Amino acid sequence: NAGVTQTPKFRILKIGQSMTLQCAQDMNHNYMYWYRQDPGMGLKLIYYSVGAGITDKGEVPNGYNVSRSTTEDFPLRLELAAPSQTSVYFCASSSPGEVNTEAFFGQGTRLTVV
Amino acid sequence: QQQVKQSPQSLIVQKGGISIINCAYENTAFDYFPWYQQFPGKGPALLIAIRPDVSEKKEGRFTISFNKSAKQFSLHIMDSQPGDSATYFCAASKGGGGNKLTFGTGTQLKVEL
Repeated sequence: NAGVTQTPKFRILKIGQSMTLQCAQDMNHNYMYWYRQDPGMGLKLIYYSVGAGITDKGEVPNGYNVSRSTTEDFPLRLELAAPSQTSVYFCASSSPGEVNTEAFFGQGTRLTVV
Repeated sequence: QQQVKQSPQSLIVQKGGISIINCAYENTAFDYFPWYQQFPGKGPALLIAIRPDVSEKKEGRFTISFNKSAKQFSLHIMDSQPGDSATYFCAASKGGGGNKLTFGTGTQLKVEL
């Protein structure tokens, strides 16, 4: 049972480059999320999706794009990378409902923009 | 605007002692309050969670105390162990919007021998 899988684990980008962070889950969860974690700041929601074909902005969406073509995959796209996007990125998934609403997180992607 | 405030930022506790981490929230629509534990190089993992219809929830050595009127909740770790050394995040979310979690800023706990 893999849970939430993120690739790559580490990446160094040059300013202005672009890349896609991959996220896949095998728990058949409808809800998926991207967070970024910066030291002393907790985790901030970038984008989320409540199902295939449906995405919406979170707290800090600028500079990012997402798509959700399948239930399993939720890639995060960085266009024109900037040093401010240096962070650790976490993908998460969960099921809707009042009971057992635990969000499961991947192991993260550490991105450095130089 | 920080909707969930967490303190302290760091905490050192002796083995066997009690670790206490506090959080306060602003949005009265929040109805789910989880605590996540994160070890270095790993993603956060759910530790324990509470809903506002109860004032306390206990799971093993971990207890959440919840004060709805004060809009505060706290995590108590009894008999703290070196293996509990990690970063702890409180969070909050509201029903109907999935689990869009609003996180606190985290507490680095170190349990010393």
